[in-house]
Amino acid sequence: GAVVSQHPSRVICKSGTSVKIECRSLDFQATTMFWYRQFPKQSLMLMATSNEGSKATYEQGVEKDKFLINHASLTLSTLTVTSAHPEDSSFYICSASGGGPNQPQHFGDGTRLSIL
Amino acid sequence: DQQVKQNSPSLSVQEGRISILNCDYTNSMFDYFLWYKKYPAEGPTFLISISSIKDKNEDGRFTVFLNKSAKHLSLHIVPSQPGDSAVYFCAASNSGTYKYIFGTGTRLKVLA
Repeated sequence: GAVVSQHPSRVICKSGTSVKIECRSLDFQATTMFWYRQFPKQSLMLMATSNEGSKATYEQGVEKDKFLINHASLTLSTLTVTSAHPEDSSFYICSASGGGPNQPQHFGDGTRLSIL
Repeated sequence: DQQVKQNSPSLSVQEGRISILNCDYTNSMFDYFLWYKKYPAEGPTFLISISSIKDKNEDGRFTVFLNKSAKHLSLHIVPSQPGDSAVYFCAASNSGTYKYIFGTGTRLKVLA
């Protein structure tokens, strides 16, 4: 149980393109979903937290107009990197939690984004 | 300011022996701790967690120990198996915030 599917797994596109990444909880209802970014040899850094039906809460230093998050249902959250540039190239990974604060987050397999 | 630290980037252990992975934290408000395992090209997989009201939690071959006074937790894997070879991340949170702070990971290699 507790499967989170993230799609696509890899994206290569030109600078200026907007890229949408989907995160789905397949076998549970995710009241809260999280988006992380990981740079090489560094830990996962939380970008934003989203609750179904409400606006995402962004971490300090994360541009909300650059990284648009939508959590329209209890099983789907999307991250759109708008007008992506080479410095946005990174590994993006989502997680989902179905319960209270002491329920573990379950992660997708991540998306490797490369902007040329 | 790194609030969660895994000071050993890598660890090699012989198959059948114990693997001990360590994690230190600085924020005394953290009250929930987790260990995740990550294989290449996959997302982290939840292994085991512990609440600050406990000092030990066991699940099969995996045991997590929490020393609140030292702000230290460790993951013990006994016996270690080649399939345990992966990167292990510890994470900490304040249960009031839902936010996880991750360490930088320790790469475990179990030698057959």
